[in-house]
Amino acid sequence: NAGVTQTPKFQVLKTGQSMTLQCAQDMNHNSMYWYRQDPGMGLRLIYYSASEGTTDKGEVPNGYNVSRLNKREFSLRLESAAPSQTSVYFCASPGHGRGEQYFGPGTRLTVT
Amino acid sequence: AQSVTQPDIHITVSEGASLELRCNYSYGATPYLFWYVQSPGQGLQLLLKYFSGDTLVQGIKGFEAEFKRSQSSFNLRKPSVHWSDAAEYFCAVNTGNQFYFGTGTSLTVIP
Repeated sequence: NAGVTQTPKFQVLKTGQSMTLQCAQDMNHNSMYWYRQDPGMGLRLIYYSASEGTTDKGEVPNGYNVSRLNKREFSLRLESAAPSQTSVYFCASPGHGRGEQYFGPGTRLTVT
Repeated sequence: AQSVTQPDIHITVSEGASLELRCNYSYGATPYLFWYVQSPGQGLQLLLKYFSGDTLVQGIKGFEAEFKRSQSSFNLRKPSVHWSDAAEYFCAVNTGNQFYFGTGTSLTVIP
């Protein structure tokens, strides 16, 4: 039981390149979330998916797209990466207790 | 709009000293409140949570937090800090569909 897994762990992109961050959960939860973490900003919600087939914008969605491929997987895509998207990205799913969130290990992305 | 404020960006304490990390929230209804800890290069780990009932909640690693509705606060405390507690601490509010996180407090522990 791995919980929430993310790939890759590290990535370096050049400005304008595209990439997809992958997230999978094995807890059979309906909801999944994507956050970015920046120094002094805490975690900010990019997109979330309340159930398979639905996605909604969070606080900072610009420059990102998401796909809820199935109940297990929720991917985050950067179509044209910008230096401002240099960040650590976390995927999350509800935890075992009410209202909790369980976080993946994170993806550290650098855009040069 | 919902918000979470952690007024202390960085705190330094000596090992064995007591600790209090402050958190204030802005939310219309009774919130679900959480404290998470993040060690360097790691993901976030849940320390404790409050939903209702007893306003003093106990968590892992000897931490506790007190919910004070009148002050809209949920401060985290530990009576005696260990060097391994050095990390970043985040307060969070769950409003149903979304989580709102504070900006974090970085804790340094001096031997």
